[in-house]
Amino acid sequence: GAGVSQSPSNKVTEKGKDVELRCDPISGHTALYWYRQSLGQGLEFLIYFQGNSAPDKSGLPSDRFSAERTGGSVSTLTIQRTQQEDSAVYLCASSLALRTRNTEAFFGQGTRLTVV
Amino acid sequence: SQKIEQNSEALNIQEGKTATLTCNYTNYSPAYLQWYRQDPGRGPVFLLLIRENEKEKRKERLKVTFDTTLKQSLFHITASQPADSATYLCALVRLNDMRFGAGTRLTVKP
Repeated sequence: GAGVSQSPSNKVTEKGKDVELRCDPISGHTALYWYRQSLGQGLEFLIYFQGNSAPDKSGLPSDRFSAERTGGSVSTLTIQRTQQEDSAVYLCASSLALRTRNTEAFFGQGTRLTVV
Repeated sequence: SQKIEQNSEALNIQEGKTATLTCNYTNYSPAYLQWYRQDPGRGPVFLLLIRENEKEKRKERLKVTFDTTLKQSLFHITASQPADSATYLCALVRLNDMRFGAGTRLTVKP
């Protein structure tokens, strides 16, 4: 596609349920990031994928959070047993490898998750 | 631990003036620094990139400086317009690690 696509755009779920958030990066981009943004806050790093390398999971806040990237393209962020504090906008970004020092990250519109 | 701070959560200026936003960092050695613009309900959009060996970068009404000794970047918007009102985020990049500041919400009043 022309840009990074995220789905759903909005998700309301009951506390304790599992949710899956999807990200379709720009074709050919090898790097993919997930961030979380709470209301009025900055972007909190969650996880990073680069090609076939092991992902950097250092930002995942708990073991309820996991992510995978199939075939080096689409990524899914899964939150198990959701809690109210998980409510936020989840942003996905993709880029050519940033280590090339001349690239930018392209963001999707985000998924607004509300846990009730 | 790594820390990225952007000056004041909100900045209000009059149309036509220059807006100056600050990004300070500690315990980090970025290879380069990026600035993004974020409008409500949207994802951030890339504006400018400056490398560690560059002092200044310009693009139209935008100017970015990078002082690795002070560990600071300044982002300037000259001849500001109401359409420049948005939240501006700095991002520090090293290898493939990209971390963001909390952002500064700029309001340009007509």
